[in-house]
Amino acid sequence: DQQVKQNSPSLSVQEGRISILNCDYTNSMFDYFLWYKKYPAEGPTFLISISSIKDKNEDGRFTVFLNKSAKHLSLHIVPSQPGDSAVYFCAASKVQGAQKLVFGQGTRLTINP
Amino acid sequence: KAGVTQTPRYLIKTRGQQVTLSCSPISGHRSVSWYQQTPGQGLQFLFEYFSETQRNKGNFPGRFSGRQFSNSRSEMNVSTLELGDSALYLCASSPDSMNTEAFFGQGTRLTVV
Repeated sequence: DQQVKQNSPSLSVQEGRISILNCDYTNSMFDYFLWYKKYPAEGPTFLISISSIKDKNEDGRFTVFLNKSAKHLSLHIVPSQPGDSAVYFCAASKVQGAQKLVFGQGTRLTINP
Repeated sequence: KAGVTQTPRYLIKTRGQQVTLSCSPISGHRSVSWYQQTPGQGLQFLFEYFSETQRNKGNFPGRFSGRQFSNSRSEMNVSTLELGDSALYLCASSPDSMNTEAFFGQGTRLTVV
């Protein structure tokens, strides 16, 4: 039972353009969502999060959008840079502060020069 | 400030053996969580410890256990290893119960042969 789904295993984007990574969830009890970035041979690194009371959160080049009615969130990276090439994981939890995160399968983002 | 440290980085064990993995959280962090990452199942939550008490538990068999010491360092143990236990085991730490943005270590790559 995959409660958090990232349906695109990979995404390729030209440097300078916008990268949009998508994530869907099925459990309506989730109310806190996070994005992590992972390079090979390293642990995931926290990028940005959003609470269910918001529909948008922005941090520099990264913006996360949440559509609760569609149970969908997306991560926008603009402009995309070569260093953004990594695997991106979407994660959800039922309570903010709870460490029991449910992760998606990840999307491998490749930024082409 | 040192990050989350996991030891060992790589481990090869034989089926039926047991293994103990160690995690030292960021100084001052009291919550430690463990995750298993496999190609087929992705990142899955194992358990979380806070102030030496297991606070959350994932859906793993009893062969997987953990503990946390008074200095917040944590160990996880897997007994009667199976081939399917081969995975990257990630530890994450967080300052307290109000933070979901956990900081991950580099992981321990366990191979069961």
